[in-house]
Amino acid sequence: AQTVTQSQPEMSVQEAETVTLSCTYDTSESNYYLFWYKQPPSRQMILVIRQEAYKQQNATENRFSVNFQKAAKSFSLKISDSQLGDTAMYFCAFMIGGDNAGNMLTFGGGTRLMVKP
Amino acid sequence: SAVISQKPSRDICQRGTSLTIQCQVDSQVTMMFWYRQQPGQSLTLIATANQGSEATYESGFVIDKFPISRPNLTFSTLTVSNMSPEDSSIYLCSAGYRERTQYFGPGTRLLVL
Repeated sequence: AQTVTQSQPEMSVQEAETVTLSCTYDTSESNYYLFWYKQPPSRQMILVIRQEAYKQQNATENRFSVNFQKAAKSFSLKISDSQLGDTAMYFCAFMIGGDNAGNMLTFGGGTRLMVKP
Repeated sequence: SAVISQKPSRDICQRGTSLTIQCQVDSQVTMMFWYRQQPGQSLTLIATANQGSEATYESGFVIDKFPISRPNLTFSTLTVSNMSPEDSSIYLCSAGYRERTQYFGPGTRLLVL
């Protein structure tokens, strides 16, 4: 079974600064995908970024980037130039790859991020 | 990405009653999922709903309590049956795509009195 751990229940950052959210996972699979989802107070789950395990290059999406360390099973999210709208719960998630994998997501416990003006 | 809608967005129900939540996707998808998010917690998968077959339930969730329908490739329903206050949660549906990504609906916030 796969597990995803987010060790920081809450974090805060000043507007315009950079913050890094941690995520570690445990799996015996070699083919998998990792995700960060954002859940603002509206409760809508929004896909922030996606990483394929077989790609060494770290994924980036505008101000969001990841540091994917496959050997260490670590997948941290860096938010640059933080904005007030980044205030949300952030969930790290894992999905097994392969044709018969089923597309199921395993979520971490979440990190509550507060961006302060 | 995908556009996924859910109805109702929220509801307040009396214990012992049932509520059916609808999930509509703007494109055909093979796999749809239903999650529960209890207050202050992460998401827990209830079941996977594939069109043309019975839903697959995760440990701790049973069909009698959470019957699911999947009549076509763009629509699914989840019923929360014989509700109790412990069923008060946010219920989210999602759709799984070939590129191994899930997109979520806006959720249904349920309060059971």
